[in-house]
Amino acid sequence: GIQVEQSPPDLILQEGANSTLRCNFSDSVNNLQWFHQNPWGQLINLFYIPSGTKQNGRLSATTVATERYSLLYISSSQTTDSGVYFCAVGSSYNTDKLIFGTGTRLQVFP
Amino acid sequence: DGGITQSPKYLFRKEGQNVTLSCEQNLNHDAMYWYRQDPGQGLRLIYYSQIVNDFQKGDIAEGYSVSREKKESFPLTVTSAQKNPTAFYLCASVRDSSEKLFFGSGTQLSVL
Repeated sequence: GIQVEQSPPDLILQEGANSTLRCNFSDSVNNLQWFHQNPWGQLINLFYIPSGTKQNGRLSATTVATERYSLLYISSSQTTDSGVYFCAVGSSYNTDKLIFGTGTRLQVFP
Repeated sequence: DGGITQSPKYLFRKEGQNVTLSCEQNLNHDAMYWYRQDPGQGLRLIYYSQIVNDFQKGDIAEGYSVSREKKESFPLTVTSAQKNPTAFYLCASVRDSSEKLFFGSGTQLSVL
């Protein structure tokens, strides 16, 4: 099945810094989503982005499907950005089944 | 309030016991999913359902069972055959595969 790798596994930042999280996938996809899991376990959907670029406030995401990667940018990070960021993909052969990466754990300190 | 409700928040299972986790959504979504998350790990797919009375196995279905008798409800039963059930269980739903997936707040299952 499709493999999803995220990097870096851990990231520690000071408030105000910018960061880039990466998601690589091993096969063609028709579905790609980014999620943030807060320290209480709640998963929030940040983007549905199988291709192209989207922005939402301080967050933006870019997916280059032909090169099999997606990037999540966080600018001017805040302590509330802490948590785990997951990328999930659905292959072109089965978009109904979303496969998650192992995540990037982000800690933002004041 | 529209959303996905999981209950209970915490659940304890004795050896040899079956337990059922509830997931209800009022978003009128067609597809529903169950994921398992172990500490420090990603999410792994247990079962999913695209329509009422139909469901498919995910990557780790052994020791679990589901039903989809109503569009709003997708309960997960953790059977005694699941030898390592301690984990955080997350239910999700989506209108169709070209839209965002939304999650409930999860159930933490532990073994006594």
